[in-house]
Amino acid sequence: AQSVAQPEDQVNVAEGNPLTVKCTYSVSGNPYLFWYVQYPNRGLQFLLKYITGDNLVKGSYGFEAEFNKSQTSFHLKKPSALVSDSALYFCAVRDRRNQAGTALIFGKGTTLSVSS
Amino acid sequence: DSGVTQTPKHLITATGQRVTLRCSPRSGDLSVYWYQQSLDQGLQFLIQYYNGEERAKGNILERFSAQQFPDLHSELNLSSLELGDSALYFCASSPGVLRSDEQFFGPGTRLTVL
Repeated sequence: AQSVAQPEDQVNVAEGNPLTVKCTYSVSGNPYLFWYVQYPNRGLQFLLKYITGDNLVKGSYGFEAEFNKSQTSFHLKKPSALVSDSALYFCAVRDRRNQAGTALIFGKGTTLSVSS
Repeated sequence: DSGVTQTPKHLITATGQRVTLRCSPRSGDLSVYWYQQSLDQGLQFLIQYYNGEERAKGNILERFSAQQFPDLHSELNLSSLELGDSALYFCASSPGVLRSDEQFFGPGTRLTVL
């Protein structure tokens, strides 16, 4: 079965500290992985993706993610958190069950709270 | 702003009724996706259209249907509504059907069934 797990419902971090939002995946074949952020009453915004190549992917707003094939993980990171980073973060994997489709399977989401 | 528009923003209706949600993809995007976001189920893929044709189906109920028109906008029709259909419905678009393409999401339509 293909799935994405975000083991933490909430992550709390102080402004200026590094942050990590965890994601693990289960998918057949090579994964296509994505991170999205959702602010209150807004749609999802694309942050970054891993398709192939370098295991460290850089994205928008200073975020980066590290792909680890042996641990089947794709953790989102930022060296220095901002209060404005507080939002709901979703990890997603391309659904490969339907060869014709290109839908995403999303994790449950992790609420990031950055305190000043 | 992602470039994907959805109308209406909010919809309040009664059980048993039928509603239509509308989505306009980003200019040039041929693929349209519909997702449902609810507290208990999270974000669930419903259906995908590509250039007017159904491409993939997810967890879409038989009471729900969708279509994509020649101008590439899409509509999601929800009928015989139940309380459990209350959710945020997102439309997303992507340029085509490459697995590497990211999807761009609209602001969503919040459906409340009373």
